[in-house]
Amino acid sequence: AQSVTQLDSQVPVFEEAPVELRCNYSSSVSVYLFWYVQYPNQGLQLLLKYLSGSTLVKSINGFEAEFNKSQTSFHLRKPSVHISDTAEYFCAVSDFRSGGYQKVTFGTGTKLQVIP
Amino acid sequence: DTAVSQTPKYLVTQMGNDKSIKCEQNLGHDTMYWYKQDSKKFLKIMFSYNNKELIINETVPNRFSPKSPDKAHLNLHINSLELGDSAVYFCASSTRPGTGMHNEQFFGPGTRLTVL
Repeated sequence: AQSVTQLDSQVPVFEEAPVELRCNYSSSVSVYLFWYVQYPNQGLQLLLKYLSGSTLVKSINGFEAEFNKSQTSFHLRKPSVHISDTAEYFCAVSDFRSGGYQKVTFGTGTKLQVIP
Repeated sequence: DTAVSQTPKYLVTQMGNDKSIKCEQNLGHDTMYWYKQDSKKFLKIMFSYNNKELIINETVPNRFSPKSPDKAHLNLHINSLELGDSAVYFCASSTRPGTGMHNEQFFGPGTRLTVL
C-alpha cells in the first residue's frame, strides 16, 4: 500500500518570502510523484511531476520540488511567493498495479496563504 | 476546448433521492476516475475505468454506481442519497501507463453536491 503525508495543513507566508510545503510518501514499489494545485472553486491542476531522471523538477511558475529517495520526500519550494499562489496544494504518489493500471493516492493538502 | 467537463456544477437535493453526475473528456484518454473531496479537502479515489472496464473500486457503498457508455464518458449515479454524501465530486482522466505519456490526471471543475 502507498500513502502520502502532508504534515502542514496550512502555511501562511508573506508575499515575496520563500516557502516550503512538505510531502513524505511510503510505497513498497517504485513510484511517480506529483504536486497538484487547486485554486478556490476549481479542479486540481498538475503543477509538476517526478517520473525519472533528474531529482529536481521545476514548474513554469517558479515552483520546484526535489525527489529524495532516502528520505522518501518530495518537498515543494518557491523562493518568492506571490498573492496569486494562494491555493491548496496536494502531493500525490502513483504506482502501477497488475495489468499496468495506476492508482494515485493524494495527501490531505496544504493550504498556502500568501499575506500581502 | 479540450478538457474534462462535468455537469451539473452544483446539485442540491433531499435525502433519499437518486441523482446522477455526468463527466465527459475530449482529450482522447482511455482511463477515467471519480474522486470525492470532503469538507476538509481530503481527496479520495472512488472508481477508475479503463476503456469502459472498471479497474478500481475503492470501498464505496453500492449506492454509488458508475457507468461508462464509452471511453470518453464516465457518469456517476447515486441512489438513496445520505447527508454524508455531501461533498465535491471530481472526475478526471489520463492515458494508460506504459503508453509513453506522463500519466498526468486532468481534472474536471467538480460538482458540489449538497444533501439536505
